[in-house]
Amino acid sequence: GESVGLHLPTLSVQEGDNSIINCAYSNSASDYFIWYKQESGKGPQFIIDIRSNMDKRQGQRVTVLLNKTVKHLSLQIAATQPGDSAVYFCAENSGGGADGLTFGKGTHLIIQP
Amino acid sequence: KAGVTQTPRYLIKTRGQQVTLSCSPISGHRSVSWYQQTPGQGLQFLFEYFSETQRNKGNFPGRFSGRQFSNSRSEMNVSTLELGDSALYLCASSATGDPNEKLFFGSGTQLSVL
Repeated sequence: GESVGLHLPTLSVQEGDNSIINCAYSNSASDYFIWYKQESGKGPQFIIDIRSNMDKRQGQRVTVLLNKTVKHLSLQIAATQPGDSAVYFCAENSGGGADGLTFGKGTHLIIQP
Repeated sequence: KAGVTQTPRYLIKTRGQQVTLSCSPISGHRSVSWYQQTPGQGLQFLFEYFSETQRNKGNFPGRFSGRQFSNSRSEMNVSTLELGDSALYLCASSATGDPNEKLFFGSGTQLSVL
């Protein structure tokens, strides 16, 4: 079946720099995408979502970009802080809800002081 | 507003036993979904309940089952536990379960099967 994947398992950035986490998806029928953040010992926490009729959406310090042509999703975090250290997952709703959310494997974001 | 609450937080069981996990959704949310998270397979969809009915089911054996009560609280049960069932079990709720609706997750139940 089709699934969502991540380009890098670990990303290390300097505190204060911008972070970019990438995600590739393969189901062209997907119409809703979400980014989650998971800290150690906690469940996934919603960060931002985007629908397929958009190519960019901004939140507080975060921006999600969607490129449907190449089936690529990215999460940009501005001015990365120590509290941003976590595993980041992209997810898509590719089955119209019948298959739940399909999650990528996750990228571990490490913040260097 | 309280978030999604899962109990217990940790469980240790032995092979062959069964286990029941509990989830209380956010107040007002009527859809509850369950996910299994393991280091090897990541997050995988188990099933989704709405108004006490299972609407969707992932690709898991029949040993995994669930139910939802009239107050939207949900339980999932795993019978005849196997070592490979060791995982973090996550519950998520949403208002209506619409496919384009954000899910809110609990902190999970960490199940260890010995």
